[in-house]
Amino acid sequence: EVQLVQSGAEVKKPGESLKISCQGSGYSFTNYWIAWVRQMPGKGLEWMGTIYPGESDATYSPSFQGQVTISADKSISTAYLQWSSLKASDTAIYYCARRSLRHCTDDLCSSWFAPWGQGTLVTVSS
Amino acid sequence: SSELTQDPAVSVALGQTVRITCQGDSLRSYYANWYQQKPGQAPLLVIYGKNTRPSGIPGRFSGSSSGTTASLTITGAQAEDEADYYCHSRDSIVDHRELFGGGTKLTVL
Repeated sequence: EVQLVQSGAEVKKPGESLKISCQGSGYSFTNYWIAWVRQMPGKGLEWMGTIYPGESDATYSPSFQGQVTISADKSISTAYLQWSSLKASDTAIYYCARRSLRHCTDDLCSSWFAPWGQGTLVTVSS
Repeated sequence: SSELTQDPAVSVALGQTVRITCQGDSLRSYYANWYQQKPGQAPLLVIYGKNTRPSGIPGRFSGSSSGTTASLTITGAQAEDEADYYCHSRDSIVDHRELFGGGTKLTVL
């Protein structure tokens, strides 16, 4: 079974650093991109960035570039999302998801996110 | 512009058919994928590609696409279909960039 398991909930103070994880199993971790998605309380899904663990090549949303760092350790099939200085506005649930390989049919293409991790709740409060 | 637009809320009577739409320029190049999210749960893929359901997703869910609009149709909506639904596609302008719609809250009456 293909599965992504995320690290547990975190409670931090503003200014503190944090690194959360997403461990893949049941597939070749280095061959699929892993995305991180933010969901603020009561809000929608926001794509933060994606990493290719085989080469540690990361792409960021302009909204998150410079605010977070996405990395991966292929030796333990784990992707990471980290902050150097948290803000209260970072309070959210963070999901990782595996991006499928690209498929094309009838001149259109697609790649989708499945499976998703269970989510990590990050609470930043003084 | 690189964004996907969804209606914030839609309602449907139990057993009736409902269509949830998603609009965006990227849909000229990429199919929309659809995710269902219930309170307290992670998103769940319900439709991907042209119109494919992952294993375990009921046959009442279907997808379609025309021009810059993609649709998720639920034929014979059930109470358990009440959830938030998000469309997603790749950005056709910036490689490896992903786009999510703002989500549609589906209420089953």
